[in-house]
Amino acid sequence: DVKVTQSSRYLVKRTGEKVFLECVQDMDHENMFWYRQDPGLGLRLIYFSYDVKMKEKGDIPEGYSVSREKKERFSLILESASTNQTSMYLCASNPGEWYGVSPNEKLFFGSGTQLSVL
Amino acid sequence: AQSVAQPEDQVNVAEGNPLTVKCTYSVSGNPYLFWYVQYPNRGLQFLLKYITGDNLVKGSYGFEAEFNKSQTSFHLKKPSALVSDSALYFCAVRGRDSSYKLIFGSGTRLLVRP
Repeated sequence: DVKVTQSSRYLVKRTGEKVFLECVQDMDHENMFWYRQDPGLGLRLIYFSYDVKMKEKGDIPEGYSVSREKKERFSLILESASTNQTSMYLCASNPGEWYGVSPNEKLFFGSGTQLSVL
Repeated sequence: AQSVAQPEDQVNVAEGNPLTVKCTYSVSGNPYLFWYVQYPNRGLQFLLKYITGDNLVKGSYGFEAEFNKSQTSFHLKKPSALVSDSALYFCAVRGRDSSYKLIFGSGTRLLVRP
């Protein structure tokens, strides 16, 4: 089975801190995604990456950046955390078109990181 | 612009009764449609998808969904609900002309009472 691992289940940070959320997948997937989940708003795409060192902005990239130095790891960075970034963050991956799978045809999700910014 | 609506925040159903979780979408052209489920303290899990072909799609855990192009709907159904089906359900859509963006609905909480 595909495993997508997010390094922390819960994080508490202070306003202005730099925050790193880490995600690792073990199935050699090309595509990786970061979403945030908020009640009543569903999931919103922050950033995605379709290859090492490649990234594209999603719908809500403001206040975030990402890093993908290795294929298996996709990091989300909050440069200066703010209280409105308190949320559940979900990482996801899928194989990509090289494997005959359209992007987003089926996503494999991690368990999520609940981030609280105080 | 693509969008997906889940009109019910919560659906309550008795165990053994049929359940329906509603989803409508707006997308140019023919859509890719998906249902995901989120159990407490877990990430989302893929349930089923509609890409093309038969309008009735069968998925995991006995769930199925019916694609209705004229009503732009993709309702999730199960003939007999289980208490263990209680979870948060998300509908998602992607237009065939968009690259990577999957648009999720706001989610519907299903509560199955014994």
